[in-house]
Amino acid sequence: GAGVSQTPSNKVTEKGKYVELRCDPISGHTALYWYRQSLGQGPEFLIYFQGTGAADDSGLPNDRFFAVRPEGSVSTLKIQRTERGDSAVYLCASSWTSGLTDTQYFGPGTRLTVL
Amino acid sequence: SQELEQSPQSLIVQEGKNLTINCTSSKTLYGLYWYKQKYGEGLIFLMMLQKGGEEKSHEKITAKLDEKKQQSSLHITASQPSHAGIYLCGAHSGNTPLVFGKGTRLSVIA
Repeated sequence: GAGVSQTPSNKVTEKGKYVELRCDPISGHTALYWYRQSLGQGPEFLIYFQGTGAADDSGLPNDRFFAVRPEGSVSTLKIQRTERGDSAVYLCASSWTSGLTDTQYFGPGTRLTVL
Repeated sequence: SQELEQSPQSLIVQEGKNLTINCTSSKTLYGLYWYKQKYGEGLIFLMMLQKGGEEKSHEKITAKLDEKKQQSSLHITASQPSHAGIYLCGAHSGNTPLVFGKGTRLSVIA
């Protein structure tokens, strides 16, 4: 079946603007994760959802970052007042549940560039 | 918080050679994942190891988990250009989000 999809694949914006990044998980997966990957680093956890609720948002760097998953499927990561330091690849992953042994399957990522 | 250290950071091998990548955790491992990433793409799941001493293989890639050493190794036999990419290990420490190492960049030359 279809894997995790993310749109857009690339996003260039200006400092101070608002952006939305979308993630469409694998059908039937109840858990959805957002990560941020900077150049030369591994992915860093931002937030995860179990169903519609954010189960753990401890990785969000500050209150400019917010994510929603209103119907328990598609999720949107929202970044307000973007800063140059927000430039990175934003990865989404999904799994059947949020159990420790449930493999997370990743999307191709959205490359965000803040000028 | 848990940290995963991968070694080496980068590796260049000749096609047909064997190689090993290591991932060492600062805390007890509760499941260790190996992923592969190519430029512009997401992470591709390779294997997950759960128990100490566990070993799994897929095609020419074998991964082992040494629970006592809090370490996992990924071994590629007879490397091919298709094996080139960035290999990432990820792990949980208890009921915590997945933490990743910085990755090992593998290049395979003809």
